Amino acid sequence: AQSVTQLDSQVPVFEEAPVELRCNYSSSVSVYLFWYVQYPNQGLQLLLKYLSGSTLVKGINGFEAEFNKSQTSFHLRKPSVHISDTAEYFCAVSRIQGAQKLVFGQGTRLTINP
Amino acid sequence: DSGVTQTPKHLITATGQRVTLRCSPRSGDLSVYWYQQSLDQGLQFLIHYYNGEERAKGNILERFSAQQFPDLHSELNLSSLELGDSALYFCASSLTGGDTQYFGPGTRLTVL
Repeated sequence: AQSVTQLDSQVPVFEEAPVELRCNYSSSVSVYLFWYVQYPNQGLQLLLKYLSGSTLVKGINGFEAEFNKSQTSFHLRKPSVHISDTAEYFCAVSRIQGAQKLVFGQGTRLTINP
Repeated sequence: DSGVTQTPKHLITATGQRVTLRCSPRSGDLSVYWYQQSLDQGLQFLIHYYNGEERAKGNILERFSAQQFPDLHSELNLSSLELGDSALYFCASSLTGGDTQYFGPGTRLTVL
Protein backbone atom coordinates (compact mmCIF):
# COMPACT_ATOMS: atom_id res chain seq x y z
CA ALA A 1 0.00 0.00 0.00
CA GLN A 2 1.01 3.59 -0.48
CA SER A 3 0.93 6.42 2.03
CA VAL A 4 1.71 10.11 1.86
CA THR A 5 2.76 12.38 4.70
CA GLN A 6 2.67 16.13 4.39
CA LEU A 7 4.86 17.32 7.20
CA ASP A 8 3.20 20.68 7.79
CA SER A 9 -0.53 21.17 8.17
CA GLN A 10 -0.20 24.95 7.96
CA VAL A 11 2.50 27.20 6.52
CA PRO A 12 2.26 30.99 6.93
CA VAL A 13 4.64 33.12 4.86
CA PHE A 14 4.96 36.73 3.86
CA GLU A 15 4.30 37.87 0.33
CA GLU A 16 7.35 37.63 -1.98
CA ALA A 17 9.10 35.22 0.41
CA PRO A 18 10.15 31.73 -0.73
CA VAL A 19 8.18 28.69 0.42
CA GLU A 20 8.70 24.95 0.62
CA LEU A 21 5.88 22.49 1.29
CA ARG A 22 7.18 19.10 2.33
CA CYS A 23 5.91 15.72 1.20
CA ASN A 24 7.20 12.26 1.99
CA TYR A 25 5.74 9.05 0.64
CA SER A 26 5.95 5.35 1.31
CA SER A 27 5.46 2.63 -1.29
CA SER A 28 6.77 -0.85 -2.01
CA VAL A 29 6.28 -0.31 -5.75
CA SER A 30 7.15 2.45 -8.20
CA VAL A 31 4.79 5.42 -8.15
CA TYR A 32 3.95 8.59 -9.98
CA LEU A 33 3.88 11.76 -7.86
CA PHE A 34 1.58 14.76 -8.04
CA TRP A 35 0.87 18.08 -6.39
CA TYR A 36 -2.65 19.46 -6.57
CA VAL A 37 -3.91 22.83 -5.34
CA GLN A 38 -7.38 23.57 -3.98
CA TYR A 39 -8.43 27.22 -3.84
CA PRO A 40 -11.24 28.12 -1.43
CA ASN A 41 -14.57 26.60 -2.48
CA GLN A 42 -13.09 25.09 -5.62
CA GLY A 43 -12.02 21.70 -6.94
CA LEU A 44 -8.52 20.29 -7.23
CA GLN A 45 -6.21 21.67 -9.89
CA LEU A 46 -3.06 19.87 -11.02
CA LEU A 47 0.06 21.90 -10.24
CA LEU A 48 2.69 19.48 -11.46
CA LYS A 49 3.53 15.80 -11.78
CA TYR A 50 6.54 13.52 -11.84
CA LEU A 51 6.24 10.49 -14.10
CA SER A 52 9.87 9.83 -15.09
CA GLY A 53 13.00 11.56 -16.31
CA SER A 54 14.41 14.72 -14.75
CA THR A 55 13.84 14.81 -11.03
CA LEU A 56 13.17 18.55 -11.07
CA VAL A 57 9.66 19.20 -12.30
CA LYS A 58 8.25 22.59 -13.18
CA GLY A 59 4.56 23.31 -12.92
CA ILE A 60 2.08 26.11 -13.26
CA ASN A 61 2.16 29.43 -11.41
CA GLY A 62 5.94 29.29 -10.85
CA PHE A 63 5.93 26.17 -8.68
CA GLU A 64 8.48 23.40 -8.95
CA ALA A 65 9.13 20.14 -7.13
CA GLU A 66 12.07 17.80 -6.78
CA PHE A 67 11.73 14.04 -6.64
CA ASN A 68 14.24 12.42 -4.31
CA LYS A 69 14.01 8.65 -4.55
CA SER A 70 16.50 7.89 -1.77
CA GLN A 71 14.62 10.11 0.68
CA THR A 72 11.19 9.22 -0.80
CA SER A 73 10.34 12.90 -0.90
CA PHE A 74 8.66 15.24 -3.36
CA HIS A 75 8.87 18.73 -1.86
CA LEU A 76 7.11 21.66 -3.54
CA ARG A 77 8.85 25.04 -3.81
CA LYS A 78 8.24 28.55 -5.05
CA PRO A 79 10.91 31.26 -4.90
CA SER A 80 8.50 34.15 -4.36
CA VAL A 81 4.86 33.74 -3.33
CA HIS A 82 1.90 35.96 -4.06
CA ILE A 83 -1.30 36.58 -2.13
CA SER A 84 -3.12 34.57 -4.81
CA ASP A 85 -1.16 31.44 -3.80
CA THR A 86 -3.22 31.20 -0.62
CA ALA A 87 -4.79 27.74 -0.89
CA GLU A 88 -4.60 24.14 0.29
CA TYR A 89 -1.93 22.01 -1.36
CA PHE A 90 -2.13 18.24 -1.66
CA CYS A 91 0.64 15.81 -2.45
CA ALA A 92 -0.49 12.51 -4.00
CA VAL A 93 0.91 9.28 -5.39
CA SER A 94 -0.43 6.59 -7.68
CA ARG A 95 0.97 3.21 -8.63
CA ILE A 96 2.57 2.93 -12.05
CA GLN A 97 1.20 -0.60 -12.47
CA GLY A 98 -2.12 -1.87 -11.22
CA ALA A 99 -4.77 0.24 -9.51
CA GLN A 100 -4.19 3.88 -10.39
CA LYS A 101 -6.13 5.48 -7.59
CA LEU A 102 -4.59 8.59 -6.08
CA VAL A 103 -3.49 8.39 -2.46
CA PHE A 104 -3.42 11.85 -0.94
CA GLY A 105 -1.64 13.46 1.96
CA GLN A 106 -3.63 15.41 4.53
CA GLY A 107 -2.92 18.71 2.85
CA THR A 108 -0.95 21.83 3.74
CA ARG A 109 -2.74 25.13 4.12
CA LEU A 110 -0.55 27.89 2.71
CA THR A 111 -1.41 31.36 3.99
CA ILE A 112 0.28 34.38 2.44
CA ASN A 113 0.45 37.50 4.60
CA PRO A 114 0.96 40.95 3.09
CA ASP B 1 -11.72 24.72 -16.08
CA SER B 2 -10.68 21.04 -16.14
CA GLY B 3 -13.42 19.96 -18.54
CA VAL B 4 -14.95 17.65 -15.94
CA THR B 5 -18.47 18.64 -14.91
CA GLN B 6 -20.37 17.65 -11.80
CA THR B 7 -23.97 18.24 -10.83
CA PRO B 8 -25.43 19.38 -8.59
CA LYS B 9 -22.97 21.77 -7.00
CA HIS B 10 -24.73 21.66 -3.64
CA LEU B 11 -27.13 19.13 -2.19
CA ILE B 12 -28.91 19.37 1.15
CA THR B 13 -30.95 16.41 2.31
CA ALA B 14 -32.11 14.57 5.42
CA THR B 15 -30.86 11.44 7.11
CA GLY B 16 -32.19 8.24 5.60
CA GLN B 17 -32.63 9.73 2.15
CA ARG B 18 -31.02 8.71 -1.14
CA VAL B 19 -29.22 11.02 -3.58
CA THR B 20 -27.52 10.73 -6.96
CA LEU B 21 -24.41 12.67 -7.93
CA ARG B 22 -23.56 13.00 -11.59
CA CYS B 23 -20.22 13.38 -13.36
CA SER B 24 -19.35 14.00 -17.00
CA PRO B 25 -15.69 13.30 -17.83
CA ARG B 26 -13.50 15.33 -20.16
CA SER B 27 -14.12 14.64 -23.80
CA GLY B 28 -12.29 11.45 -24.78
CA ASP B 29 -11.52 10.28 -21.26
CA LEU B 30 -12.52 6.68 -20.55
CA SER B 31 -11.74 6.53 -16.83
CA VAL B 32 -13.82 8.05 -14.05
CA TYR B 33 -12.82 8.12 -10.39
CA TRP B 34 -14.84 9.16 -7.35
CA TYR B 35 -13.30 10.66 -4.21
CA GLN B 36 -14.73 11.86 -0.92
CA GLN B 37 -13.25 14.83 0.96
CA SER B 38 -14.18 15.24 4.60
CA LEU B 39 -12.58 17.10 7.49
CA ASP B 40 -11.77 13.98 9.48
CA GLN B 41 -10.80 11.57 6.67
CA GLY B 42 -9.26 13.94 4.13
CA LEU B 43 -9.38 12.90 0.47
CA GLN B 44 -10.31 9.24 0.09
CA PHE B 45 -10.64 7.19 -3.08
CA LEU B 46 -14.05 5.56 -3.48
CA ILE B 47 -14.25 3.80 -6.83
CA HIS B 48 -12.81 3.70 -10.38
CA TYR B 49 -14.60 2.90 -13.63
CA TYR B 50 -12.99 2.38 -17.00
CA ASN B 51 -15.11 2.35 -20.14
CA GLY B 52 -18.17 1.17 -18.26
CA GLU B 53 -16.52 -1.44 -16.07
CA GLU B 54 -15.62 -1.23 -12.42
CA ARG B 55 -11.83 -1.39 -12.04
CA ALA B 56 -11.10 -0.74 -8.38
CA LYS B 57 -12.88 -0.08 -5.12
CA GLY B 58 -11.57 1.87 -2.21
CA ASN B 59 -13.18 2.86 1.06
CA ILE B 60 -16.69 2.85 -0.35
CA LEU B 61 -19.54 2.00 1.98
CA GLU B 62 -22.04 -0.69 1.00
CA ARG B 63 -24.74 2.01 1.08
CA PHE B 64 -22.92 3.69 -1.82
CA SER B 65 -22.87 2.48 -5.40
CA ALA B 66 -21.75 3.83 -8.73
CA GLN B 67 -21.95 3.13 -12.41
CA GLN B 68 -20.58 4.40 -15.69
CA PHE B 69 -22.93 4.61 -18.62
CA PRO B 70 -22.27 3.95 -22.35
CA ASP B 71 -21.84 7.69 -22.94
CA LEU B 72 -19.12 7.53 -20.22
CA HIS B 73 -20.83 9.76 -17.69
CA SER B 74 -20.95 8.36 -14.19
CA GLU B 75 -23.33 8.49 -11.27
CA LEU B 76 -22.62 7.95 -7.59
CA ASN B 77 -25.64 6.82 -5.59
CA LEU B 78 -25.68 7.36 -1.85
CA SER B 79 -28.50 5.78 0.16
CA SER B 80 -29.66 5.60 3.78
CA LEU B 81 -27.72 8.79 4.32
CA GLU B 82 -26.17 9.53 7.69
CA LEU B 83 -24.84 12.78 9.16
CA GLY B 84 -21.31 11.49 8.64
CA ASP B 85 -21.83 11.29 4.88
CA SER B 86 -21.71 15.06 4.69
CA ALA B 87 -18.67 15.82 2.57
CA LEU B 88 -17.38 17.09 -0.74
CA TYR B 89 -17.59 14.44 -3.45
CA PHE B 90 -15.19 14.80 -6.36
CA CYS B 91 -15.16 13.11 -9.69
CA ALA B 92 -11.96 12.90 -11.73
CA SER B 93 -11.32 11.61 -15.21
CA SER B 94 -8.31 10.42 -17.18
CA LEU B 95 -7.71 9.22 -20.69
CA THR B 96 -6.97 5.65 -19.68
CA GLY B 97 -6.38 4.19 -16.24
CA GLY B 98 -2.82 5.19 -15.66
CA ASP B 99 -2.37 8.83 -16.45
CA THR B 100 -3.12 12.21 -14.96
CA GLN B 101 -6.48 12.64 -13.31
CA TYR B 102 -8.39 15.89 -13.81
CA PHE B 103 -10.89 16.86 -11.17
CA GLY B 104 -14.34 18.34 -11.37
CA PRO B 105 -15.54 21.17 -9.11
CA GLY B 106 -17.18 18.75 -6.68
CA THR B 107 -20.63 18.29 -5.13
CA ARG B 108 -21.03 19.47 -1.56
CA LEU B 109 -23.44 17.14 0.24
CA THR B 110 -24.97 18.23 3.52
CA VAL B 111 -27.02 15.70 5.45
CA LEU B 112 -29.24 17.24 8.15
